[in-house]
Amino acid sequence: ETGVTQSPTHLIKTRGQQVTLRCSSQSGHNTVSWYQQALGQGPQFIFQYYREEENGRGNFPPRFSGLQFPNYSSELNVNALELDDSALYLCASSRKTGFGTEAFFGQGTRLTVV
Amino acid sequence: DQQVKQNSPSLSVQEGRISILNCDYTNSMFDYFLWYKKYPAEGPTFLISISSIKDKNEDGRFTVFLNKSAKHLSLHIVPSQPGDSAVYFCAAIVMNRDDKIIFGKGTRLHILP
Repeated sequence: ETGVTQSPTHLIKTRGQQVTLRCSSQSGHNTVSWYQQALGQGPQFIFQYYREEENGRGNFPPRFSGLQFPNYSSELNVNALELDDSALYLCASSRKTGFGTEAFFGQGTRLTVV
Repeated sequence: DQQVKQNSPSLSVQEGRISILNCDYTNSMFDYFLWYKKYPAEGPTFLISISSIKDKNEDGRFTVFLNKSAKHLSLHIVPSQPGDSAVYFCAAIVMNRDDKIIFGKGTRLHILP
């Protein structure tokens, strides 16, 4: 079991609403990334935060935004929700190792937009 | 454009036999590869990784092989056990500033009794 926890685990929202998802990172990890996993697909990178600043972004519109806090926990905010935003949202905390990256995922938040 | 491809959506293997999951990639800049395992209602769990400077990495029942010239990697599970039934994701990273993980679509492995 990882130290990465996400809340809530499930959420139902109406199209046009806004949502905030939360993630606490693994102890010792200063980087948090968010991924969207649609049905039948692999996780797709949304963005990454390193020491409270955005450190890279995938192909997602600006209505997807985030924050990282001094304790390295993070939030993902999605405005003007669309039906296609229904997916599993995964948070991963990570740190560089000697030869690669150590990344641990939370259990995810299942978002349904109706 | 799918940079990491897992062309087999599912695979069934008899318990005790070898499971071989395959993965192809297109980006020659990838320098670190990972395999994740995912059960329903859980996040992906890290299994094993390999650096692009190596061609094999072994950890218990799991071995990952990398063929850089073919841009192909595979995960071998020997012997396969019932608890190995899950979705397996192949993933890759370019070790630069953001280290974003690029995932394949996954292969669902069924271990048959």
